[in-house]
Amino acid sequence: EDKVVQSPLSLVVHEGDTVTLNCSYEVTNFRSLLWYKQEKKAPTFLFMLTSSGIEKKSGRLSSILDKKELFSILNITATQTGDSAVYLCAVARSGTYKYIFGTGTRLKVLA
Amino acid sequence: NAGVMQNPRHLVRRRGQEARLRCSPMKGHSHVYWYRQLPEEGLKFMVYLQKENIIDESGMPKERFSAEFPKEGPSILRIQQVVRGDSAAYFCASSPYGTDNSPLHFGNGTRLTVT
Repeated sequence: EDKVVQSPLSLVVHEGDTVTLNCSYEVTNFRSLLWYKQEKKAPTFLFMLTSSGIEKKSGRLSSILDKKELFSILNITATQTGDSAVYLCAVARSGTYKYIFGTGTRLKVLA
Repeated sequence: NAGVMQNPRHLVRRRGQEARLRCSPMKGHSHVYWYRQLPEEGLKFMVYLQKENIIDESGMPKERFSAEFPKEGPSILRIQQVVRGDSAAYFCASSPYGTDNSPLHFGNGTRLTVT
């Protein structure tokens, strides 16, 4: 059965800390891995990764995919209270938009 | 260019009533996807529709749930005879093509509470 597992389930850090969120997957016909940030409402898209070893970066956030070991990490440096959210990892299979989501990592950044 | 629009944002229904959730896709998009998020869980795929066609409903419960995407108007997710376990956030996303590699962008969701 296809699955996406995120760790840790929750994390509390102080402003300025660096965090690493993990996502491992077992999915047939892998096409891409996506990261979303979810606050009170819609999951907002962060990154889509399709190739191993190529880091994607946006400001203080970065992510990389390892297709051999079947995992991805999301790094957030110099965390701010506005980074507090649930971070969702999803895997898309070839030929479909039927994403398989993990349960998310709840990040709380304290001032 | 408005994103995916969902309404209502919040919906309260008593057990046994019907719930209708609406999703207007982004302009020019003819593919719609519904996902459900139970408390403390990730999103789970429910159904994928094109205009006037259900393409994949493998994630949708067989009873009480139905979805449509008519030629004109929004996509509708309908839940008949709601039960407490239907309380969840329902998210919709749209795309211009069914297998395009661009990421899905979700609407703000409808939070259904069954009392």
